[in-house]
Amino acid sequence: DTAVSQTPKYLVTQMGNDKSIKCEQNLGHDTMYWYKQDSKKFLKIMFSYNNKELIINETVPNRFSPKSPDKAHLNLHINSLELGDSAVYFCASSTSVTRSSYNEQFFGPGTRLTVL
Amino acid sequence: AQRVTQPEKLLSVFKGAPVELKCNYSYSGSPELFWYVQYSRQRLQLLLRHISRESIKGFTADLNKGETSFHLKKPFAQEEDSAMYYCALRTAGGTSYGKLTFGQGTILTVHP
Repeated sequence: DTAVSQTPKYLVTQMGNDKSIKCEQNLGHDTMYWYKQDSKKFLKIMFSYNNKELIINETVPNRFSPKSPDKAHLNLHINSLELGDSAVYFCASSTSVTRSSYNEQFFGPGTRLTVL
Repeated sequence: AQRVTQPEKLLSVFKGAPVELKCNYSYSGSPELFWYVQYSRQRLQLLLRHISRESIKGFTADLNKGETSFHLKKPFAQEEDSAMYYCALRTAGGTSYGKLTFGQGTILTVHP
């Protein structure tokens, strides 16, 4: 009965490869997010989708492309991986942000990506 | 643009001692402030939010708009409080779309 799940938990790959991280939530939430936590534990938002629509797109390289096939899923695809992409990536979800009410974000366990 | 600063990356206290994790923010509008916590081997989770003015696990935090601060306090620290703590700011209203801006995080260690 995990609320927000991510796969894989660990991902080790070579520079230049293309990889995807999957996120699923069973909370019935409308909004999902991707965050990146770097080696210094700094946590920064990358993308957010509300009802499958992209609503937040921070300054992220074009090599990163989120895809939301439905409200319960938000996947992150990364092309041409670079050493600097090594980080922990967190998915999160919340009730619809467009309702202008407080909406707690529920986080997944994280995916540790290591680029060699 | 909004910014959240947690000046202490590491904070160590002994069990039973008071603890204060500092958080300062920069935002021109009316902010919503939160504290999130990540215990060892657990996922990041909400600890408390300023609008509810609640005490969770003995922790409280008061929003001080004059000093633009939202420090997290607990009068008597426990070993199980050891964790990474993130202060976060959410811009209220407009087209912010619930974006959370996190501080750099503070690792709290409570020694026995």
